[in-house]
Amino acid sequence: NAGVTQTPKFQVLKTGQSMTLQCAQDMNHEYMSWYRQDPGMGLRLIHYSVGAGITDQGEVPNGYNVSRSTTEDFPLRLLSAAPSQTSVYFCASSPSRESAQPQHFGDGTRLSIL
Amino acid sequence: QQPVQSPQAVILREGEDAVINCSSSKALYSVHWYRQKHGEAPVFLMILLKGGEQKGHEKISASFNEKKQQSSLYLTASQLSYSGTYFCGTGNKAGTALIFGKGTTLSVSS
Repeated sequence: NAGVTQTPKFQVLKTGQSMTLQCAQDMNHEYMSWYRQDPGMGLRLIHYSVGAGITDQGEVPNGYNVSRSTTEDFPLRLLSAAPSQTSVYFCASSPSRESAQPQHFGDGTRLSIL
Repeated sequence: QQPVQSPQAVILREGEDAVINCSSSKALYSVHWYRQKHGEAPVFLMILLKGGEQKGHEKISASFNEKKQQSSLYLTASQLSYSGTYFCGTGNKAGTALIFGKGTTLSVSS
């Protein structure tokens, strides 16, 4: 099983460029989410989705857009990258929206914005 | 609002015990514990639910005090493999929108 797949693994952008971080899962999980991880800040929730067509904001949604057109995919879009968005981004999924379930994390995307 | 973890860092020798605490200013429905090794993704350890249900690894021990809005993770007879950063997360009523604390770094040496 592939689990949660994030692409790319590494990316360098210039300020103002746009970028889509891809996240796909093959476990038929309803719930998917995006986190960013910065030194000393832990994992901060950006956006999450409880199913296709449904998304909601997390703790730090500004500067990011998401959509969920299929169960499998949950892309994260940076419309105009800023240096403050330099971070490691993790996508996670879990089986059900109805109760607490283990989150399965992807390997992360390391993003640098110059 | 992020849950607060304490201590921020722990240094142990193999075989020693440690307790990592997680507290929230909001009512807790579930507490999730994850461990992350450097350069890797977080890995699930345990979920504690309101009412006493627990899901997770048999060798991991944790408690959940609903009244105090606190959870503690107990690491006994530590091994080198226990080293990493431990995160607690608090979920809403549906178990979604998981908000993590800043983490506790555990270093175990021989």
